[in-house]
Amino acid sequence: GQQLNQSPQSMFIQEGEDVSMNCTSSSIFNTWLWYKQDPGEGPVLLIALYKAGELTSNGRLTAQFGITRKDSFLNISASIPSDVGIYFCAGEEGGSEKLVFGKGTKLTVNP
Amino acid sequence: DVKVTQSSRYLVKRTGEKVFLECVQDMDHENMFWYRQDPGLGLRLIYFSYDVKMKEKGDIPEGYSVSREKKERFSLILESASTNQTSMYLCASSLLGQGALSLHFGNGTRLTVT
Repeated sequence: GQQLNQSPQSMFIQEGEDVSMNCTSSSIFNTWLWYKQDPGEGPVLLIALYKAGELTSNGRLTAQFGITRKDSFLNISASIPSDVGIYFCAGEEGGSEKLVFGKGTKLTVNP
Repeated sequence: DVKVTQSSRYLVKRTGEKVFLECVQDMDHENMFWYRQDPGLGLRLIYFSYDVKMKEKGDIPEGYSVSREKKERFSLILESASTNQTSMYLCASSLLGQGALSLHFGNGTRLTVT
């Protein structure tokens, strides 16, 4: 089955640093999404992107939908300890009702 | 607030046992999903249902079956559990036509097959 190429697989950073992660695909998606999974919980939606080239912010998070519709990135500025978790990108094909997920980026923030 | 409830947080089963993982959602969602989550592999779709008694295979259906007798409940069945099915299983639901915007996950069931 199809999966998105998400990198890096893990990151170890100091509190206050900025973080960047990205996702690429060989297929075009109509929607790109970013999820965060806290330990012991299910993933929760952070940001949804609907238009090629769109740049969207949610607090310290910024995400962009690539112009080719085959990639997206997520930036976290001024990281804090509660940013710890696994971040997943996901793509939604038009009308499919299903998502394709990346393999995840595990973020560790050292106080 | 949407709630997707998975009946067990942890399960330990023996090889060859028949295993049922239960999921219930309380928001009248048409779509329900079962994913498997493994380190380094992300979330992979096992089965998907868009209506009662309807089901579609996902990317990794081998060794699994599902049952959707009622709209709110979606069960994942391992007919004969094997050690390579040790994993975290996530259930999710969404509204038909709303896709990802309405997608909610349960907190997962960590299954260990010994």
